[in-house]
Amino acid sequence: RKEVEQDPGPFNVPEGATVAFNCTYSNSASQSFFWYRQDCRKEPKLLMSVYSSGNEDGRFTAQLNRASQYISLLIRDSKLSDSATYLCVVKTGGFKTIFGAGTRLFVKA
Amino acid sequence: DAGVIQSPRHEVTEMGQEVTLRCKPISGHNSLFWYRQTMMRGLELLIYFNNNVPIDDSGMPEDRFSAKMPNASFSTLKIQPSEPRDSAVYFCASRRTSGVNSYEQYFGPGTRLTVT
Repeated sequence: RKEVEQDPGPFNVPEGATVAFNCTYSNSASQSFFWYRQDCRKEPKLLMSVYSSGNEDGRFTAQLNRASQYISLLIRDSKLSDSATYLCVVKTGGFKTIFGAGTRLFVKA
Repeated sequence: DAGVIQSPRHEVTEMGQEVTLRCKPISGHNSLFWYRQTMMRGLELLIYFNNNVPIDDSGMPEDRFSAKMPNASFSTLKIQPSEPRDSAVYFCASRRTSGVNSYEQYFGPGTRLTVT
């Protein structure tokens, strides 16, 4: 089992739709969680950190479920510019940070 | 503040040649990571440093790969000799491990390596 698993997609949604991604992690001692966004032929960029209480940044909402060991990302009112690959990132103990393989999102007009 | 700086941005070389990739982390960040990304294998961690010391190099594919961090503001990843299967995008990332926004990694633009 991979340490961090994501549905690779692709998710094809129309503009204005709400879309949600989940990511599961295997190490129950994982400490920090993040969502990154990567555009084609670009570097990954931090989208948001995921806090235990959940957090929201505009149209984006991140949730953490420690009991079930997953994190989620919800995007409301999808825009064409949201088309990208979304990477789930988990920091385990020590210095190690593990990236998921990513979920591809295509938002269509 | 400048972000993570990598050079060169593109490198095309022939099999058997030595390749050196360079990275300057964000000032004040004390951890540095080298990643490789391909379509087939996604983003793979090669090695990371904390306070200039290599902590985990278990991701380094083989002895042809080596990495150094002689000081807090510079790191290199060297491939010698290079092979076509090394063709990939190589990213460097840095982060701080204490204080505000600690553990958030910031990536450089990457070096696109093609070995023919």
